[in-house]
Amino acid sequence: QVQLQESGPGLVKPSETLSLTCGVSGGSISGYYWSWIRQPAGKGLEWIGRIYSTVSTNYNPSLKSRVTMSVDMSKNQSSLKLSSVTAADTAIYYCARDRGIRGGEDYNMDVWGQGITVTVSS
Amino acid sequence: SSELTQDPAVSVALGQTVRITCQGDSLRRYSAGWFQQKPGQAPVLVLYGKNNRPSGIADRFSASTSGDTSSLTITGTQAEDEADYYCNSRDSSGNRVFGGGTKLTVL
Repeated sequence: QVQLQESGPGLVKPSETLSLTCGVSGGSISGYYWSWIRQPAGKGLEWIGRIYSTVSTNYNPSLKSRVTMSVDMSKNQSSLKLSSVTAADTAIYYCARDRGIRGGEDYNMDVWGQGITVTVSS
Repeated sequence: SSELTQDPAVSVALGQTVRITCQGDSLRRYSAGWFQQKPGQAPVLVLYGKNNRPSGIADRFSASTSGDTSSLTITGTQAEDEADYYCNSRDSSGNRVFGGGTKLTVL
């Protein structure tokens, strides 16, 4: 079955760019949206955005100015970049497969990675 | 508005039925998804679309929608159902949004 694994630095300095990768194993990255979600400690889930193939993106309006997502088909992975980070960006970051709308049904985010903790601190 | 509102906490006696609600304008047009999250674990999709369960999800979980409110119902709640539950939906642009989450306590 499809498995997702987030990777990247666990510590990022304020004002720098957070860069994470989501490796997809057991299936192809094509044909699906790939979402990023984050969760500050003790708080709820926040959808960051999603990317379909290499061209179509949706970003949370509150983060849009700082977010860039991409897909590398050859490596079967998606990536997230979040610029100008502050302590408020400290959270667990999850990637998830989003199957979107199919046959009138929203199949939503059905596979999630285990998450990676990212701390923003000097 | 694409905001989704959930009650922060709900409790239910073991074996009883509980309903967790999610309210928002987007639910008049788009279906909600429901996610279960246990401490230290990633969220798990338990319901999607109008009322569909992914493979492996117990049939005691069901969903319904009326107007701007979607509900997750657990019939015959088990101890292992104690968790945080999040709804989500989308807007016309394809952006997703999560509700604030409901902490379910099984008594």
